[in-house]
Amino acid sequence: NAGVTQTPKFQVLKTGQSMTLQCAQDMNHEYMSWYRQDPGMGLRLIHYSVGAGITDQGEVPNGYNVSRSTTEDFPLRLLSAAPSQTSVYFCASRKTGAGYTFGSGTRLTVV
Amino acid sequence: GDSVTQMEGPVTLSEEAFLTINCTYTATGYPSLFWYVQYPGEGLQLLLKATKADDKGSNKGFEATYRKETTSFHLEKGSVQVSDSAVYFCALSDQGTDKLIFGTGTRLQVFP
Repeated sequence: NAGVTQTPKFQVLKTGQSMTLQCAQDMNHEYMSWYRQDPGMGLRLIHYSVGAGITDQGEVPNGYNVSRSTTEDFPLRLLSAAPSQTSVYFCASRKTGAGYTFGSGTRLTVV
Repeated sequence: GDSVTQMEGPVTLSEEAFLTINCTYTATGYPSLFWYVQYPGEGLQLLLKATKADDKGSNKGFEATYRKETTSFHLEKGSVQVSDSAVYFCALSDQGTDKLIFGTGTRLQVFP
């Protein structure tokens, strides 16, 4: 049981480049979310999904897109990277009534 | 909107000391409450949770009680170990949207 798998673990982008952070879970969880973690600010919700085909914005959605074409996958797209998007990104999933399971994170640096 | 407030760290303790990390929340309705732990270089792991008032969550010697009257969910452990050194996050699950809202985290450092 792999849990929540995030790739890549590390990434460096130039300003203006685009990329996709991958997230996959094999637990058949309905709910999936993306968070960013910045020093002194805890984790802030970017986008979340309550099931395949359904997504919604969180606290800090600007500059990011998501889609949920399958239950297993929830990729996060950076459209045009900016230095303010330098952060550690976590994907998480859960079943109804349970706590979230987090991936190990992607550390992104935008130069 | 809903929010979570945690005591600022770092909290520095000697091994076998008693630990309390304070957490208070603001929410409409009846949220579920959680404590997550993050070890260096890793993702967050669920430590314990409580889903209604007066529930006590417990795991690995850690405990927290859902206090609706004081809107608190303080984390406690009777005797900490060096291996407990980590960042601890309090969080609530918004009842209407099911979004998880985090506090800013409290770093615990335990020395031998």
